[in-house]
Amino acid sequence: AQSVTQPDIHITVSEGASLELRCNYSYGATPYLFWYVQSPGQGLQLLLKYFSGDTLVQGIKGFEAEFKRSQSSFNLRKPSVHWSDAAEYFCAVGGGTDSWGKLQFGAGTQVVVTP
Amino acid sequence: KAGVTQTPRYLIKTRGQQVTLSCSPISGHRSVSWYQQTPGQGLQFLFEYFSETQRNKGNFPGRFSGRQFSNSRSEMNVSTLELGDSALYLCASSFEAGASYNEQFFGPGTRLTVL
Repeated sequence: AQSVTQPDIHITVSEGASLELRCNYSYGATPYLFWYVQSPGQGLQLLLKYFSGDTLVQGIKGFEAEFKRSQSSFNLRKPSVHWSDAAEYFCAVGGGTDSWGKLQFGAGTQVVVTP
Repeated sequence: KAGVTQTPRYLIKTRGQQVTLSCSPISGHRSVSWYQQTPGQGLQFLFEYFSETQRNKGNFPGRFSGRQFSNSRSEMNVSTLELGDSALYLCASSFEAGASYNEQFFGPGTRLTVL
């Protein structure tokens, strides 16, 4: 069965500093990987996705993520954080035999940005 | 192109009542998925519909049901509400085209409170 682990429940980062959010997945085949962001009381916004090809993917809002098959990881990075990046971030995996319309989400990482 | 819309945005019900939530997908999207989000359990997949057929179902009791109409709009129904059904219910749509069906676009959610 698919699973996604986000080891960090909460991260505090200073504005202008770099940010890295960790995501590890368990999946038998080539996964489809996603990062979503959720602001308080809102739905999920897709930041970026990986289906195949180049393992470094660029997303919106200056985010990027790197797929590392050997480490089963798909970590999200941003070189310089803005106060508006404070939100909850979710890693998700899709694909597989029972995956019709189903994404498996991690527990999320809450990001707090300090001045 | 308009995004995924969900109505109503907020609902307050009492135990034992039933509720119906509505979701209109992005134009051209035929797959609609539903998720329940709670602080304790995170994001959990409820079910997915495509062309008016339920293709996948998560691990929820039969009190949770859904349907999809010919215009791809979807509804979910929860009968005999329990306090634990209080949650943010998220709808997502995707375009059925190869791997892209995994890429889901989320609505703002319906916040259900059961008293």
